[in-house]
Amino acid sequence: AQKVTQAQTEISVVEKEDVTLDCVYETRDTTYYLFWYKQPPSGELVFLIRRNSFDEQNEISGRYSWNFQKSTSSFNFTITASQVVDSAVYFCALIPTGGGNKLTFGTGTQLKVEL
Amino acid sequence: GAVVSQHPSRVICKSGTSVKIECRSLDFQATTMFWYRQFPKQSLMLMATSNEGSKATYEQGVEKDKFLINHASLTLSTLTVTSAHPEDSSFYICSARQGRSEAFFGQGTRLTVV
Repeated sequence: AQKVTQAQTEISVVEKEDVTLDCVYETRDTTYYLFWYKQPPSGELVFLIRRNSFDEQNEISGRYSWNFQKSTSSFNFTITASQVVDSAVYFCALIPTGGGNKLTFGTGTQLKVEL
Repeated sequence: GAVVSQHPSRVICKSGTSVKIECRSLDFQATTMFWYRQFPKQSLMLMATSNEGSKATYEQGVEKDKFLINHASLTLSTLTVTSAHPEDSSFYICSARQGRSEAFFGQGTRLTVV
């Protein structure tokens, strides 16, 4: 069984601040994928990133960066110079690569970016 | 990324009636589609997994006779909420995958049963 924990239920920052969203996971599978999704107020889920458990390289995409630490089972997401449009709920998720289809989601972190 | 279209985005229905929600993969063939339910300020709860041409696999606690899922083609899955009641009011969201690729999500459907 898998478990994804997002301990931060809500974070508020002022625009231009950097913010890190934490994600800690548990799985018995040796290979798996990790995801981050953004859910703006409109409700749709926007795919942000997929990371294979084999690949521990950190990734940067514009203002977004991800820090994957297999040793601590964490996959944290940092937004640099946050903007009001970043306000949303962010979900971390996991799926084993070896079998099964079930994507396990964390409980989400509500990010509020204020002027 | 790939596009998944969900329709309708909002629906209000009377208690006792049935509501059908459609999920379409627009630019890829979805071998597997998933239906989730999300309560306010909560995470997504997987309801069922459907593979094209076969019966859906329901998660524990989800009534298959109440939430009918049909995945008749590689681009379309439907969720029908039968004899809807106010407690069925929720946000329903589908996702679609092609093989082992990442899952792409529809826009979601906000169902209100009055």
